[in-house]
Amino acid sequence: EVQLVESGGGLVKPGGSLRLSCAASGFTFSNAWMSWVRQAPGKGLEWVGRIKSKTDGGTTDYAAPVKGRFTISRDDSKNTLYLQMNSLKIEDTAVYYCTTTFNTWGQGTLVTVSS
Amino acid sequence: QTVVTQEPSLTVSPGGTVTLTCASSTGAVTSGYYPNWIQQKPGQAPRALIYSTSQKHSWTPARFSGSLTGGKAALTLSGVQPEDEAEYYCLLYYGGAHVFGTGTKVTVL
Repeated sequence: EVQLVESGGGLVKPGGSLRLSCAASGFTFSNAWMSWVRQAPGKGLEWVGRIKSKTDGGTTDYAAPVKGRFTISRDDSKNTLYLQMNSLKIEDTAVYYCTTTFNTWGQGTLVTVSS
Repeated sequence: QTVVTQEPSLTVSPGGTVTLTCASSTGAVTSGYYPNWIQQKPGQAPRALIYSTSQKHSWTPARFSGSLTGGKAALTLSGVQPEDEAEYYCLLYYGGAHVFGTGTKVTVL
């Protein structure tokens, strides 16, 4: 069974940092392009960024609101995707989902940025 | 900034048909935008329905279909069931970046 499980969410102060993880199972993670998507409370879905597979270059792309503050990485030996979030803002408060090119989705992890 | 626009809300009767559309602020939506359609019910994670304009996942009910029409991507629900009541998002690819649509709330009444 294909499964994605996010973790690492929590409460953080503005300007702080947090790292989210997404554990993958049931498919060949190393071949997958992976994305992070977020959803602020009561709002729609927002694409955060994507990392290609290493065989396709392993490059990343980011949405404008997070570029320069967020970094996506992967550890294929651990079948895990990461989202390093720095300089967090109140408007980064959201449920963060990882997804395999939008086919399979995790259940999400809540990040709350508040003083 | 690219904006992808959907109808805010649509209401359909059980057994009826409804079409949702997805427009891009950059111009006509083509297959090169690889339109995806994603369903989300309250309190649940998103669920993929359609990819690459009209391709269905193994779990996508046959009553859902995707197409391009009038310069927009479209999702048609035929023979709507009560369990189809949900928020629906389209997703377009802009050569490195993805943009979600504003979402359509479908009510089955």
